[in-house]
Amino acid sequence: GDSVTQMEGPVTLSEEAFLTINCTYTATGYPSLFWYVQYPGEGLQLLLKATKADDKGSNKGFEATYRKETTSFHLEKGSVQVSDSAVYFCALSDRGQGGKLIFGQGTELSVKP
Amino acid sequence: DGGITQSPKYLFRKEGQNVTLSCEQNLNHDAMYWYRQDPGQGLRLIYYSQIVNDFQKGDIAEGYSVSREKKESFPLTVTSAQKNPTAFYLCASSTGTALYEQYFGPGTRLTVT
Repeated sequence: GDSVTQMEGPVTLSEEAFLTINCTYTATGYPSLFWYVQYPGEGLQLLLKATKADDKGSNKGFEATYRKETTSFHLEKGSVQVSDSAVYFCALSDRGQGGKLIFGQGTELSVKP
Repeated sequence: DGGITQSPKYLFRKEGQNVTLSCEQNLNHDAMYWYRQDPGQGLRLIYYSQIVNDFQKGDIAEGYSVSREKKESFPLTVTSAQKNPTAFYLCASSTGTALYEQYFGPGTRLTVT
C-alpha cells in the first residue's frame, strides 16, 4: 500500500540555520503531496502542496519540490526562526482514494535563539 | 469565517462510558475525516465520509462509531469497547478529491481514567 517516510526527529537548529526535512513516498498511482505543520496543542495547518511531478510548493519561506524520479518531497527553508518550532508532517493523497491522506510519522523541529 | 470547529477542547470520561466528539464544518465540503494522534506519532485514520449518509472504516475503526446525517456534521463516538481511548482526536474536511488539501479542526483531547 501507499506509505510516507520522514526523517526522524527531533531536529534542533539555531536561528537562521538552513532546514531540510526529508520525505520519501511509495504510491501506486499519481499522488498529490503535502506538508502540514502542527503547533503544540493545535490541529494541523497546510504549509504547502504539489500536485504533479516537478511542481514546487512554497509558503512562508518553506519550499518543497515533487521529485517523481526519487519519490521525494523534501521540505527546505533557508533561514529558520524560533517561531518555526513545531511538528512537520509529510502526506500524500492518491487519486484513487477519494481524498484520503496518508501521513508520515512527523518530524519535530526545535529552533533555539 | 469558514472553518472546522471541534468541541470540546478537553474531555474527561470514566472508563466504561461512551463519549461523543463533535465536528462541524461550514466550508461546504463533501468529505469529512476523523484521525487519532498519540504522543510522538503520526495521524491514524479512524473513519471517513465522502457524502452524506455514507461512511467507511479507516485503519483503526474498532471501538469507534460515526454518523453523517448532515453535510456539515460528522460526530465521532468513542465507545467503551475502545481499549485505549485516551488520545488527541482531529477532524478534517475536504472537497474529497486528491488534488485538494484537507482542512483540520483544532482537535479534542480525550482523557479516560
